[in-house]
Amino acid sequence: ETGVTQSPTHLIKTRGQQVTLRCSSQSGHNTVSWYQQALGQGPQFIFQYYREEENGRGNFPPRFSGLQFPNYSSELNVNALELDDSALYLCASSYPGRVSGANVLTFGAGSRLTVL
Amino acid sequence: GEDVEQSLFLSVREGDSSVINCTYTDSSSTYLYWYKQEPGAGLQLLTYIFSNMDMKQDQRLTVLLNKKDKHLSLRIADTQTGDSAIYFCAESSPVNYGGSQGNLIFGKGTKLSVKP
Repeated sequence: ETGVTQSPTHLIKTRGQQVTLRCSSQSGHNTVSWYQQALGQGPQFIFQYYREEENGRGNFPPRFSGLQFPNYSSELNVNALELDDSALYLCASSYPGRVSGANVLTFGAGSRLTVL
Repeated sequence: GEDVEQSLFLSVREGDSSVINCTYTDSSSTYLYWYKQEPGAGLQLLTYIFSNMDMKQDQRLTVLLNKKDKHLSLRIADTQTGDSAIYFCAESSPVNYGGSQGNLIFGKGTKLSVKP
C-alpha cells in the first residue's frame, strides 16, 4: 500500500508568479485535502476534493485553486504569489467509508514553497 | 470562533512520562486528534478520540478528554529519544460528505524534547 506522495519537495518562486503542487493519494483513498503550514504554526485547511469536486474550503482567497483527477490525485494551484504564501503545503488523503465520522487523514511529506 | 491552544514546548528526560495538554473552543467538535510531526516530514496520526469517551489507551499513549472544560491531554509513558517531535492537537466535526467535510482545526503544536 503506497502512501501519499507530493511533488516537488522544495521550490522557490518570486512574487507574482504561479505555482502548481501535485499530490498522489494513498491507494484506496478517494478524498484529498490540502493544508498550509507556515513556519512555527499548525496546518490550516485550504480545501478538500471529493469525487473531483471541491467539498469545502477554508479562509483562503480564490487565487488558491485545485483539481482532483479521476485517479483521485490532486493539484493545488496558487496564482499571483505573495511573500506570505511561503509555507509547507501538505496534502492528505482519506476514505470516509473506512471509519465512520472521524476524518482519518494520511499526510504526505509536503512541498516547501519559498516566495522571494 | 474555533481555536485550539497548546503550550509550545515540553522537555523531559528519557524514561519519564510526558504530558502534552490542549484546550479547544468549538463545542460542536466531536472528534479530537493527536498528530506527530518529525523534522522534514508530514503529520502522522497517533490516535483520536470521540467526544463521548473520556479516555483512550493505545500502548504507551493515553488520551484523556474533559469535555466540560474542553481539555485534552496526551500522555506518553516511558518517553524515548525517538519521541522527540512536534505534537499537534486537532479537532473536527464528523465527516458527512455533501455536508461537513470534517476539516481539522490544528493547534500550533508542542515541541517535545527528550533528553538522554
